[in-house]
Parts: sequence; structure tokens; C-alpha cells
Amino acid sequence: AAGVIQSPRHLIKEKRETATLKCYPIPRHDTVYWYQQGPGQDPQFLISFYEKMQSDKGSIPDRFSAQQFSDYHSELNMSSLELGDSALYFCASSLAGGRGLDTQYFGPGTRLTVL
Amino acid sequence: QKEVEQNSGPLSVPEGAIASLNCTYSDRVSQSFFWYRQYSGKSPELIMSIYSNGDKEDGRFTAQLNKASQYVSLLIRDSQPSDSATYLCALGGNTGFQKLVFGTGTRLLVSP
Repeated sequence: AAGVIQSPRHLIKEKRETATLKCYPIPRHDTVYWYQQGPGQDPQFLISFYEKMQSDKGSIPDRFSAQQFSDYHSELNMSSLELGDSALYFCASSLAGGRGLDTQYFGPGTRLTVL
Repeated sequence: QKEVEQNSGPLSVPEGAIASLNCTYSDRVSQSFFWYRQYSGKSPELIMSIYSNGDKEDGRFTAQLNKASQYVSLLIRDSQPSDSATYLCALGGNTGFQKLVFGTGTRLLVSP
């Protein structure tokens, strides 16, 4: 079965640079979530989109922005990168509609290293 | 105080034994509960979802939910070394497209 696709899988950037992470949800899934997981920590919710509209926002820095496109893929744009942004970034997708349909499936993640 | 509490472990069990993982939560609004397994450096993998009080079984895994006591547990029968991973308890919402709130995870070690 098709899974969530994320690219790139690994990314190395310098401080103050910009990064763009991409997420392609499972076919027919209409909701995309972004999570950040620092070393030894649990995943922290950043932002989500349902039908191309922002549906919820978590602890996402103002330096970060995201959007969902007409084909449902999503991009997370990160500017003025800081050392503390080094983390695993996961995208998850689900099919909205209530119980049993909101199960989130995670992509393989993008490992961002800021030097 | 974190909304979802888990014992960080490690929980060590011998191969073939039952591993019992527990999770308590403080948000009474949550209606959906999930267990994810995460190997080091990999993404969370869904193990079980549970929405109603009681037990839900899937193969070697059984999830138990008690909303009155605000806890959810995961039992792994016939534990295998390949089950060694971090198990994350997560709370969803009561409608679609709601964020997951994770516990810090319990590290399980299954020794051959």
C-alpha cells in the first residue's frame, strides 16, 4: 500500500539559511500534519491542513510557514534556520471524517541538521 | 504537567513474556487513543487505535482503555526481540483532523 512520502530524507543547512520540506500524503487522504521531534523527545505538533486550509496550529515558530496545494501535497518552509531547528520532521496524513478515519500515518521523516 | 504520561523505562522483559505498557492522560475531551511504535531514528508506526472503553485485540497486541480512570494500556504477548523499540501513547481529538498529543514514550527491551 502507498505510504506518505517525504523529501528530502536528509538535509544539511547552515545557520540563517532557508529549507523547504515536502510531503506527499497517502492517496485520497485530505489532511496533512507536520511534527517536529528533537533528540530524545516525543513528536511535537507544528501545523495541519485540511482540504488546503490550515486546520490547527501548534508550537510553530514564526520563521516557519506551510501550505497544502491543490494536489494535497504540503510544504514546510523554514527560514533563518537556527541550531535548535536540528530535528526529525515528520509529516502524517489522514482521511478526516471522525472515528476510525482520523488515524494518522507517518512518513519516513526528514532529518534536518543545522550547522 | 504533560497531558500524557508514560514511564520512560526501559522496560525489560525476556523473549516470550508479556510486556505491559501504561499511559495516563489528563484531557477528558479526547475520544481517540493510539499506540505507535518507534525504532530509533525512524518514524512512528501505528500499532493500535482504540476509541471505546474495554479491550481491543489485534494479533499479539491488546489495547485497553478506561476513560473513567483516564488510562490506556498496551499488552504485547509473546514478546520478540524485534519488539524492542519505544512505544508512544498518543491522544487524538473527538473529530477528524485533530493533532496528536504524544507521551514521552516507554522504551521496551526484549532479551533473547
